[in-house]
Amino acid sequence: AQSVTQLDSQVPVFEEAPVELRCNYSSSVSVYLFWYVQYPNQGLQLLLKYLSGSTLVKGINGFEAEFNKSQTSFHLRKPSVHISDTAEYFCAVIPNSGYSTLTFGKGTMLLVSP
Amino acid sequence: DTGVSQDPRHKITKRGQNVTFRCDPISEHNRLYWYRQTLGQGPEFLTYFQNEAQLEKSRLLSDRFSAERPKGSFSTLEIQRTEQGDSAMYLCASSPTQGGQPQHFGDGTRLSIL
Repeated sequence: AQSVTQLDSQVPVFEEAPVELRCNYSSSVSVYLFWYVQYPNQGLQLLLKYLSGSTLVKGINGFEAEFNKSQTSFHLRKPSVHISDTAEYFCAVIPNSGYSTLTFGKGTMLLVSP
Repeated sequence: DTGVSQDPRHKITKRGQNVTFRCDPISEHNRLYWYRQTLGQGPEFLTYFQNEAQLEKSRLLSDRFSAERPKGSFSTLEIQRTEQGDSAMYLCASSPTQGGQPQHFGDGTRLSIL
């Protein structure tokens, strides 16, 4: 079984400041990792994914994440946030065996203020 | 790519009534997933299909819940004898079969039980 821990339930930040949203996971098998964003009353939109290869992955809207296998982490970063980045962010994992489903963290609410 | 479509977007019903939700996946996607999301939580897996076969069901899916995907295209999720605890957002997602391909989510159906 897999589990995902998002260490911060809420992260307040000022516009144009950098931000890091933390994600740690636990799994007995190798996994693929994802970050999704959810705006109010909408579904989840994929930000980025890590399958293999370079541990630094770039996604949409200027976000990037770094996979650290030894620390079982997959933290999300953005060098300069905008008001429009205010949303809920979810980290998720899935075993790379191909026959299973996503396990999500509880989410981190990013609150960007002017 | 028209995206994953869910209907209705909102459903309000009285306790004890039956409700049915529909999901239309991205047309070339073989896999279809149902998740439930309650306030302040990440999505929790309910069940998934590969084509018309239901391959996995979560323990969250009590015997009041049933899901179908009769022709391997759209899917329905029915809840019988609804209870207050069923109030949640029900999310549908789809993906290709190939491992590591991300799941694409619909905007969800928000169920409110009076």
